[in-house]
Amino acid sequence: DSGVTQTPKHLITATGQRVTLRCSPRSGDLSVYWYQQSLDQGLQFLIQYYNGEERAKGNILERFSAQQFPDLHSELNLSSLELGDSALYFCASSPGTGKNTEAFFGQGTRLTVV
Amino acid sequence: GDSVTQMEGPVTLSEEAFLTINCTYTATGYPSLFWYVQYPGEGLQLLLKATKADDKGSNKGFEATYRKETTSFHLEKGSVQVSDSAVYFCALSAKNAGNMLTFGGGTRLMVKP
Repeated sequence: DSGVTQTPKHLITATGQRVTLRCSPRSGDLSVYWYQQSLDQGLQFLIQYYNGEERAKGNILERFSAQQFPDLHSELNLSSLELGDSALYFCASSPGTGKNTEAFFGQGTRLTVV
Repeated sequence: GDSVTQMEGPVTLSEEAFLTINCTYTATGYPSLFWYVQYPGEGLQLLLKATKADDKGSNKGFEATYRKETTSFHLEKGSVQVSDSAVYFCALSAKNAGNMLTFGGGTRLMVKP
């Protein structure tokens, strides 16, 4: 158990809908990262938050947004969903932002858009 | 930008065989290098890491050495077990990118008894 909790584990929704994925980081970790794992794109970094502030942005679509709340949990919002958004979405957390710092991953949310 | 290339799988081995999964990287500066493992239905777990040139990371019988001259971080294990069957990801973290990880495409390892 990594200590990172993601909910829900599975989500099935229709095209055009909006969903929210939730992540609770390990106790004490200030950084939260979101990654998307799909068959065609592999594992891609989406966005990072550190102590409530956006720190880095990767290949995140404009239809996607995220935030980190004062209690450090994070939510990833996906809107106007398309079939191609079907993927496994991982959240990871780490204590800080140094490049040597290990990131701990949750078990992921599997999103299926039908 | 930064990138990681690892050998495509699947790699199929018999139990007790020697394992090598190749990984090379492109990055500015001096990244940290990682191997993560993903067991079926689970998230990624850190297997080992190395933070500077010539460092050797090791864990659970797996080893990888940070080779700056060849920009490589190959994963090795002397004797694989069926329980090692999983997908292995090589990744790097660059100083100027917070702690975001850039992953390779993953290599599926299947170990047969």
